[in-house]
Amino acid sequence: DIQMTQSPSSLSASVGDRVTITCRASQTISSYLNWYQQKPGEAPKVLIYSASSLQSGVPSRFSGSGSGTDFTLTINSLQPEDFATYYCQQTNGNPYTFGQGTKVEIE
Amino acid sequence: EVHLVESGGGLVQPGGSLRLSCSASGFTFSTYAMHWVRQAPGKGLEFVSAITNDGGMTYYADSVKGRFTISRDNSKNTLFLQMSSLKSEDTAMYYCVKERTSCYISWGQGTLVTVSS
Repeated sequence: DIQMTQSPSSLSASVGDRVTITCRASQTISSYLNWYQQKPGEAPKVLIYSASSLQSGVPSRFSGSGSGTDFTLTINSLQPEDFATYYCQQTNGNPYTFGQGTKVEIE
Repeated sequence: EVHLVESGGGLVQPGGSLRLSCSASGFTFSTYAMHWVRQAPGKGLEFVSAITNDGGMTYYADSVKGRFTISRDNSKNTLFLQMSSLKSEDTAMYYCVKERTSCYISWGQGTLVTVSS
């Protein structure tokens, strides 16, 4: 199975900050990389698919980049509603696997 | 609007069985692959099982292989997960997920499975 490693596991930030989360795959996955946001008590929702494509309805302050094995999720100007846990997911091969998650907390 | 509604969760003893269902609406169910994803309390997301749109191929996580069976009834727009020989480590929220172009585009609200004596 392809292993996905996210960093950091958690971070503290303030409203207005720029936040970067990284995700590394144990083998090349081309651009088969998605990012999800999950708030407490809710199901996850997709933010970015195919490494850099913004899902419809997601604010443009979210962006994704990378290919191969190294990927980044960036949140520009963090908003109060962005405090949540973020997961990367590879869909290059079965089984699809997730990173362990990054919890973004209020500083 | 896509709706995925899971049911069938509950408390079960170790070694027991449960059958989860997911009722789908708002899209042409028979044209999409479907997945089950779980999340143990306070933990991350874990792929459980997947099935192609026509049910011709299925996939399982190693942790559930041989114990869980995924199936679907396209005439009733329903996805199933038959779980047997349940263990405490199967305790989790189980989500039904619609896949579109290699992305988990829609999620249900989840059904909680608790395995405990």
